[in-house]
Amino acid sequence: EAQVTQNPRYLITVTGKKLTVTCSQNMNHEYMSWYRQDPGLGLRQIYYSMNVEVTDKGDVPEGYKVSRKEKRNFPLILESPSPNQTSLYFCASSLSWTGGSPLHFGNGTRLTVT
Amino acid sequence: AQTVTQSQPEMSVQEAETVTLSCTYDTSESDYYLFWYKQPPSRQMILVIRQEAYKQQNATENRFSVNFQKAAKSFSLKISDSQLGDAAMYFCALKTGNQFYFGTGTSLTVIP
Repeated sequence: EAQVTQNPRYLITVTGKKLTVTCSQNMNHEYMSWYRQDPGLGLRQIYYSMNVEVTDKGDVPEGYKVSRKEKRNFPLILESPSPNQTSLYFCASSLSWTGGSPLHFGNGTRLTVT
Repeated sequence: AQTVTQSQPEMSVQEAETVTLSCTYDTSESDYYLFWYKQPPSRQMILVIRQEAYKQQNATENRFSVNFQKAAKSFSLKISDSQLGDAAMYFCALKTGNQFYFGTGTSLTVIP
């Protein structure tokens, strides 16, 4: 089944404890990206990747890191999480960064930082 | 800068009736694409419909259709014969260049 797999679905952590949210897609998509969803703000792009080893900042990159060493994986790293990073996070992929290919989303990760 | 505005935080519709969700956007790019996504309580993001800016014809997918007014930069979603399963948060999205931009969402309630 074609899908974007995100783990974990729920994560509670403490301020400053490094964490990684994994994202993997099995559709051979070129484009992958991360979003955070907050009430009243919609989805905002954190980082995106147009292909292996090609990443760029979205609108809210502060406090996050990403890497794209393999085409299928695009982990999101919070090296020192803070309470303002409590949010619902989505990974998504698209066939290509050019044209109008739609995003395919993972099931989301609910992160709480205390 | 690109922006997407959904001015209706909440909407409601009677089952079997028609409802229109509004979306306006702003971009200086000539090449762009527009999308509507549905997010039910399960929080999964589901593509509803897609529109290429260069196409004048409005996209349609079963009970879902759009009214794309390019000059006005408007991209509304019409849901016909509303069903209980249509209850969800709906997000309008704009893709231009290599980024996607989302609106703040409209929460749709379907009244039996």
